Amino acid sequence: AQSVTQLDSQVPVFEEAPVELRCNYSSSVSVYLFWYVQYPNQGLQLLLKYLSGSTLVKGINGFEAEFNKSQTSFHLRKPSVHISDTAEYFCAVSDTGYSTLTFGKGTMLLVSP
Amino acid sequence: DTEVTQTPKHLVMGMTNKKSLKCEQHMGHRAMYWYKQKAKKPPELMFVYSYEKLSINESVPSRFSPECPNSSLLNLHLHALQPEDSALYLCASSQDLTWGATNQPQHFGDGTRLSIL
Repeated sequence: AQSVTQLDSQVPVFEEAPVELRCNYSSSVSVYLFWYVQYPNQGLQLLLKYLSGSTLVKGINGFEAEFNKSQTSFHLRKPSVHISDTAEYFCAVSDTGYSTLTFGKGTMLLVSP
Repeated sequence: DTEVTQTPKHLVMGMTNKKSLKCEQHMGHRAMYWYKQKAKKPPELMFVYSYEKLSINESVPSRFSPECPNSSLLNLHLHALQPEDSALYLCASSQDLTWGATNQPQHFGDGTRLSIL
C-alpha cells in the first residue's frame, strides 16, 4: 500500500513570488507520481506526472516537480505565481501495476496581490 | 474542455428520493471510476469498472449502486441517502485499470454536487 503526505494544508504567497508545495510518499514498491489541481467548483486537472526517465518533470501553467527517490519526495514548484493559480493542489501516487490513485490531503495555494 | 462529462452539475434530493448521476466519456477508455469528495478533503475512491465489469468496491454502502451500461457510460444510482452523503461526486476514466504502454493517468469530470435534505 502507498501513502502520500502533504505537510502544508495552506500556503499563502504574494503574486509573482516563487512557491514550493511539498509532497512525500511512502511505498514498498515502485510508484508513479502525479500532481492535480482543483479550481473552485471544478474537477481535478492533471498538472504533471512522473512515470520514468528524467526526475525533473515539467507540466502545464509553468509548474514543474522533481522526483527524489532517496528522500521519497515529489515537490511542486513554480518560479512566479499568478492570482489565477489560487486553487487546491493534490499530490497522488499509484503503483506501477494498477492505475488507482492514492491522494494526499491537499494544499490550498492562496495567491494575493 | 473536460473530456469526461457529468450530469447533472447540481442535485438536491430528499432522503427518500431515488436519483441517478451520469458520467460519459468518448476517449475509448476502458476503466471508469466514481469518487466522493467532501469539502476540503481529497477524493475518496468508491467504485472502479474495468471493461464494463465492477472491479473494485471500496466497501461503499448499498444505498449507492453503480452501473456501467456500456464502455462510454457510467451511472451511480442513489436511494435512501443520508445527510452525510452530501458531497461532490467525481467521475474519472483511464485507458485501462492496469498501466500499459500509453501510461496516461485518470481524466476527471467536473463532478455533481449533491445535497441531501
